[in-house]
Amino acid sequence: DAKTTQPNSMESNEEEPVHLPCNHSTISGTDYIHWYRQLPSQGPEYVIHGLTSNVNNRMASLAIAEDRKSSTLILHRATLRDAAVYYCILSPIYGQNFVFGPGTRLSVLP
Amino acid sequence: GAVVSQHPSRVICKSGTSVKIECRSLDFQATTMFWYRQFPKKSLMLMATSNEGSKATYEQGVEKDKFLINHASLTLSTLTVTSAHPEDSSFYICSARDSQGYEQYFGPGTRLTVT
Repeated sequence: DAKTTQPNSMESNEEEPVHLPCNHSTISGTDYIHWYRQLPSQGPEYVIHGLTSNVNNRMASLAIAEDRKSSTLILHRATLRDAAVYYCILSPIYGQNFVFGPGTRLSVLP
Repeated sequence: GAVVSQHPSRVICKSGTSVKIECRSLDFQATTMFWYRQFPKKSLMLMATSNEGSKATYEQGVEKDKFLINHASLTLSTLTVTSAHPEDSSFYICSARDSQGYEQYFGPGTRLTVT
């Protein structure tokens, strides 16, 4: 499984945008980029996924670099409920298990 | 979105006993389910992959005789921790993959404490 690199932690102020980066320089052409987040004592929650084009949904936006070697999860207005560990995961289409790295622990300050 | 449930949400058992954790996909059929373990302040680690009607595939270092996995139907997988020891205390999380295979949907987790 291709490896991803994320900052260990980030801080944001409430109601400000947050850009969470992920480097995946060894991504293959069939790898999807998935983002999940995990709140304390809960299972991971799906946030967004994409292949080549930027993606938007009600939770976030995903910006994918043209060479696909990096991506950025964008939370447009952080709330206190967005404080969580965010995981960037690569998996091929119909891939099997997800390999979780340490993720980025996002703190949101009131 | 797809919903995955786990039961129980937390369990305390005595050393040497066995405990069963259920994972159910509530509104979709899951041909594949995954079991993860998470220690405090650590990331999720895959234990095994479970396909309906066939034997589970265990990750290296996971004892298949200790962690028994049964995936008897398209909506239910169970993990049984046999002869539990305090070092088995952890947060156990299951996930299920939908028919398209793009995403995994995770359960809320089961916190196991072995005394």
